Formats: sequence, structure tokens, C-alpha cells
Amino acid sequence: EVQLVESGGGLVTPGGSLRVSCAASGFMFNLYSMTWVRQAPGKGLEWVAYISSSSTYIYYADSVKGRFTISRDNANNSLFLQMNSLSVDDTAVYYCAKTQLVGNGGTFDHWGQGVLVTVSS
Amino acid sequence: DIQMTQSPSSLSTSVGDRVTITCQASQDIRNSLNWYKQKPGKAPNLLIYDASNLETGVPSRFSGSGSGTHFTFTINSLRPEDIATYYCQQYDDFPHTFGQGTKLEIK
Repeated sequence: EVQLVESGGGLVTPGGSLRVSCAASGFMFNLYSMTWVRQAPGKGLEWVAYISSSSTYIYYADSVKGRFTISRDNANNSLFLQMNSLSVDDTAVYYCAKTQLVGNGGTFDHWGQGVLVTVSS
Repeated sequence: DIQMTQSPSSLSTSVGDRVTITCQASQDIRNSLNWYKQKPGKAPNLLIYDASNLETGVPSRFSGSGSGTHFTFTINSLRPEDIATYYCQQYDDFPHTFGQGTKLEIK
């Protein structure tokens, strides 16, 4: 059974940093690209960042480019999102999502439960 | 970036109704479009991929169609468990943008 479990969320002050993680199991993690999607309270889904299976290709939403870094550790089946220079607009539930097919970067067939990041003074 | 315009933003419906949601892309995205369902406090679930393909395990009352810039998502004979928010998402180009969502409510 595919499982994605996020961790590392919490309260951080504006300008601060936080690293969220996603532990994957139940599939060959090293073969699939992964994505972070976020959802601000009461708002819609926002695509945040993508990383290919071997970390060769990485893309970011303009709203986080230069502040967030996506990475992965295939040896330990883990996905990360390092978030720096956080602002109140980054307050959201952050989901990690697995792509449906090897080689397909944009269709998400499994999602984690989400982790809440709150940026507030 | 490709903009996805989803309509309506909310819809008041009744059990048994046929529900139709549309999604318009700001440029040609071929058939690179997915539909997700999300209930409050839960992660989204994939329903339709590649514009018209039903994800495994998804009931056949859900369907999708379209290509290029105009897409349609339909629920035939709405059931109570279908009350949720639905999102389209394009993956033709990065960033893989979502529509703003359509919230279904019971009349």
C-alpha cells in the first residue's frame, strides 16, 4: 500500500525557515517524480514544486522561487521542502504527492495527509 | 504560466442531479488535464486523468471530456458522498496549475 506521511510543520515567525518532510513507502520511490502542493486556509490548491525521480529536473512556482528548495533522498525514500524567508502568505497545508506513472510528472494518484505550516508573529 | 479558469465556483445541487463543471485553459494543453475531488480536511483524490480516463476504482458516474482549451467534468446522478470541491489541473507545462475549484452544495 502506498503511503506518504508528511512531518515537520508548525508555527514559524515571518522571515523564518522550516523544513517539511515526506516519508514514502509501498512503492519504488526512486522511480517516481514527486510534487509539493499547498492549500492556504479556506483556499484552493496551489502547485508548489516538482522534482524528477533522480533530481535532474526541478521546477518551482513563481511564488516560492528563490525561497523554497525541493530535494529528495532516494536511499531513504524521503522528499523534502526547505522553506526560507517565510511570509504569512505561505501559511498553508502542504501536501506531498506521488505521480501516477513513471515518466509522468503531472498526475497525482497518491497524496499525503498534509502538514500545516503557520507563519505568524 | 497557463491559467485554468474553472466554472462555476459553486453549485447548489440535489441528489440525483447531473452536474457539469467546465475548465478553460489559457492556451492549448492538448489532453493534459486531470480532475480531483477534495472533501474538507482531506487530501484530494484523483478522479479523471488525461482529460477523459477514469482512475481505477472511481465510479462510472464520473466522466470527463475535452481537449485543447475547453474541458468538461460531469457527475451523472449525484450521490450525497459526491458533495465536495472539485479541481481541474493542467500538466502540459510547468507550473502545473490548478483551477480555482468548484464547491458543490446541497439545495
